[in-house]
Amino acid sequence: DQQVKQNSPSLSVQEGRISILNCDYTNSMFDYFLWYKKYPAEGPTFLISISSIKDKNEDGRFTVFLNKSAKHLSLHIVPSQPGDSAVYFCAASARAGGTSYGKLTFGQGTILTVHP
Amino acid sequence: EAGVAQSPRYKIIEKRQSVAFWCNPISGHATLYWYQQILGQGPKLLIQFQNNGVVDDSQLPKDRFSAERLKGVDSTLKIQPAKLEDSAVYLCASSPHRQWSSGANVLTFGAGSRLTVL
Repeated sequence: DQQVKQNSPSLSVQEGRISILNCDYTNSMFDYFLWYKKYPAEGPTFLISISSIKDKNEDGRFTVFLNKSAKHLSLHIVPSQPGDSAVYFCAASARAGGTSYGKLTFGQGTILTVHP
Repeated sequence: EAGVAQSPRYKIIEKRQSVAFWCNPISGHATLYWYQQILGQGPKLLIQFQNNGVVDDSQLPKDRFSAERLKGVDSTLKIQPAKLEDSAVYLCASSPHRQWSSGANVLTFGAGSRLTVL
């Protein structure tokens, strides 16, 4: 039962253009969403997050959009840079009585390649 | 600050053998997690500790996996006996949070221990 899905295994964009990574979820209890970035031979690192009470959160070149009715979120990177090339994981969390903090459900990941 | 330390980085064993992974979280972090990442999939939570107590081990295959965090600091994850499907990267993560908050979902991960079972 894949509760968080990233249907695009890979994405290739040109430097300076926009990268859009997509994520869908099925569990309506999820109320907090995050994106993590992972370089080879390193652990995932936190990138940006959004609460279910918002529909947009921006941090520099990174913006996350949440569409609760569609159970869909997306990460926009503008402009894309070669250093952004990595695997991007979407993750979701449900508060569930206050004990499930940090119990993240991850998508399969999308490999982003930004060409110079 | 020093990050989350894990060892060994790589381990190759034969099926039915045992293996242990060690994790030292960021100093002062109360909550420690072990995640399993199989190739082509996202990380999956195995077990969550707060200090030396288990918060959630619902997805830990307890017939072969065990984990402990005896003094509330470092932790060990053991697999005995290993199966082919246990081949994965085992990620340790930590967080300073002791209760739910938006920040409690921001985990600091180690580089992982890659296990290959032949």
